[in-house]
Amino acid sequence: KAGVTQTPRYLIKTRGQQVTLSCSPISGHRSVSWYQQTPGQGLQFLFEYFSETQRNKGNFPGRFSGRQFSNSRSEMNVSTLELGDSALYLCASSLDLVLGYTFGSGTRLTVV
Amino acid sequence: AQKVTQAQTEISVVEKEDVTLDCVYETRDTTYYLFWYKQPPSGELVFLIRRNSFDEQNEISGRYSWNFQKSTSSFNFTITASQVVDSAVYFCALTEGRDSSYKLIFGSGTRLLVRP
Repeated sequence: KAGVTQTPRYLIKTRGQQVTLSCSPISGHRSVSWYQQTPGQGLQFLFEYFSETQRNKGNFPGRFSGRQFSNSRSEMNVSTLELGDSALYLCASSLDLVLGYTFGSGTRLTVV
Repeated sequence: AQKVTQAQTEISVVEKEDVTLDCVYETRDTTYYLFWYKQPPSGELVFLIRRNSFDEQNEISGRYSWNFQKSTSSFNFTITASQVVDSAVYFCALTEGRDSSYKLIFGSGTRLLVRP
């Protein structure tokens, strides 16, 4: 079965711009979580969506937002990009906590 | 607050050596899950194992084994007879729950280099 698909794989944006990243979970998985990975801060939780509702949110500014569609696909948006937003953004889908989380290959965002 | 500590930043071994990656965690939850993930250079986090707080049985899967000890809040990972393909960054993670939602708290990772 298909895994978690994230698009695009790479992005280069300019400071001040905004960006939208996409995540398609494994079929049947209704929970989608997003994580940011940077060399300095490591892997940090951004937010989790379940059945189109945000259930949990990490400690990130309001410039980071997301949504989930009825088919469980999710998007995250970062507005007014800063250099520090350069990171690998990973999406994970889950059917059940007991079964764990499956991660996508990530989107590597570079802000210049 | 939940915390995961992977004190080993980088480990270098020669192929066929055994290697143990340490993971120590802190949590106030009575029910929690622990995970190990492998991150190769491609970036994807590959699931290795999940363990819940009520199951302290050690587990072996091929060359991989895990030692979970609640008394010391540790969940260590051993690779027996390491291979070059094992080279990657390994992350230990702990769940933190709120209502029906969970998130993973990751350690800082251990970079394993297996030299031929």
